[in-house]
Amino acid sequence: DIQMTQSPSSLSASVGDRVTITCRASQSISSYLNWYQQKPGKAPKLLIYAASSLQSGVPSRFSGSGSGTDFTLTISSLQPEDFATYYCQQSYSTFTFGPGTKVDIK
Amino acid sequence: QLQLQESGPGLVKPSETLSLTCTVSGGSISSSSYYWGWIRQPPGKGLEWIGSIYYSGSTYYNPSLKSRVTISVDTSKNQFSLKLSSVTAADTAVYYCARQTGRSSTSSLGYYYYYYMDVWGKGTTVTVSS
Repeated sequence: DIQMTQSPSSLSASVGDRVTITCRASQSISSYLNWYQQKPGKAPKLLIYAASSLQSGVPSRFSGSGSGTDFTLTISSLQPEDFATYYCQQSYSTFTFGPGTKVDIK
Repeated sequence: QLQLQESGPGLVKPSETLSLTCTVSGGSISSSSYYWGWIRQPPGKGLEWIGSIYYSGSTYYNPSLKSRVTISVDTSKNQFSLKLSSVTAADTAVYYCARQTGRSSTSSLGYYYYYYMDVWGKGTTVTVSS
């Protein structure tokens, strides 16, 4: 099974900050990596697929990069509506989610 | 606009079978581009993929749950369903259904086919308790 880790597990940031979240796979997954945003009491929302492709309707301040085992999600300028938990997900071999990174207000 | 809606009992007794249905509206479950999946989230914890099904009935499951899971599809009703047997308190969770889209990509490095969950239901809470 492919295991996913994320760092940090949580972070505090201010509106306007640049935020970077890291996801690591236990083996190479090429670019089979997706990112989701989840707000409390809501379903996850797809942000990025195939490591760096922005889902339709998602603001351009979100970007993804990486391949192999190491990936990053970057929010270029954090907005009030971006405070949420972010999950990475590998789709190389079935699906596995990372444990999540909670972004809250500093 | 495609919408997914989970339905089923909110309370299940230990050792019994959890049964949920996802109704798809605003689009056909029989589209060749999609699988349909179930994902769950225990209280305060992360997301766990349970399994997925194609409209033809082809399925694949999370190995850790495979012995207890059955996913089926009813194209006439535009629905797919989840059955999880022998439940325990550890199966208490919010259960989501989702559309799983496949997209191909070709580059100098080769041919790739990516899957991702792009449309989700709102989720339904299932508690396992006597």
